[in-house]
Amino acid sequence: SQQGEEDPQALSIQEGENATMNCSYKTSINNLQWYRQNSGRGLVHLILIRSNEREKHSGRLRVTLDTSKKSSSLLITASRAADTASYFCATATGYSSASKIIFGSGTRLSIRP
Amino acid sequence: GAVVSQHPSRVICKSGTSVKIECRSLDFQATTMFWYRQFPKKSLMLMATSNEGSKATYEQGVEKDKFLINHASLTLSTLTVTSAHPEDSSFYICSATDREGQPQHFGDGTRLSIL
Repeated sequence: SQQGEEDPQALSIQEGENATMNCSYKTSINNLQWYRQNSGRGLVHLILIRSNEREKHSGRLRVTLDTSKKSSSLLITASRAADTASYFCATATGYSSASKIIFGSGTRLSIRP
Repeated sequence: GAVVSQHPSRVICKSGTSVKIECRSLDFQATTMFWYRQFPKKSLMLMATSNEGSKATYEQGVEKDKFLINHASLTLSTLTVTSAHPEDSSFYICSATDREGQPQHFGDGTRLSIL
C-alpha cells in the first residue's frame, strides 16, 4: 500500500500565486523527497529533507517536515506556467542506495496564465 | 550529472509479444536500479529492485516470470515483459541510485501498449 497521501489531489492557481501541497505518511522515515513529473515523462527530483530537519529551501521551493504529525508540505512561490506538473512526495526508511522509496498519491498542479 | 536513459520511449505491439525495456545510467555507476509501473493519473508502484550481478527483489504481487529483470552491469538494467497482454499496457519507469544513496534518478519512462 502507498505510504503517503497528498492533498489536494488537484490544484489550479493563477500564475504568480503561491502553491502549497501537503503530504502525510504513516510510519517512521529516514527522509522525505519531493519529485515533479511532467505529463508523460519521468520524475525529476526537487528536494530531499531528512528526518532531523524541519525546513529546507531551494530556489522558489520551500519544504517543511513535521515528524510528530508525520506530514510535509511543499510550497512553490511565484508560480510560473512551467510549474504545471504532477508533484509527488516519497518517503524512505533508509538512506542506502538500495533503499526503497514509497510514493504518495500526487498532486496535479495547473498554473493558469 | 546523474542522467538515466530509458529506451524505447514508446512500444506498440501485438498480444503475446515479449518486450524488452532498457535503463542505462549514462554518467554514473548505478549500484541499484528500480522498476516502477504507473497507471494513468496514478502514482508510481514499485515493481522490483535490482542490484548489479544479483537477482532482483520483487514486490508482493509482481510476477517474476512475467517481468524478467536483468542487471548485468553497473550501467544497465533491463525489464522484459514476457508474452505481453493488453492488461500489461502501462507506463514503465526506471530509476537508479549511485553509492551516495538517495535520491533516485529517473528515466523518461516507456509507454507500453499491447493490442
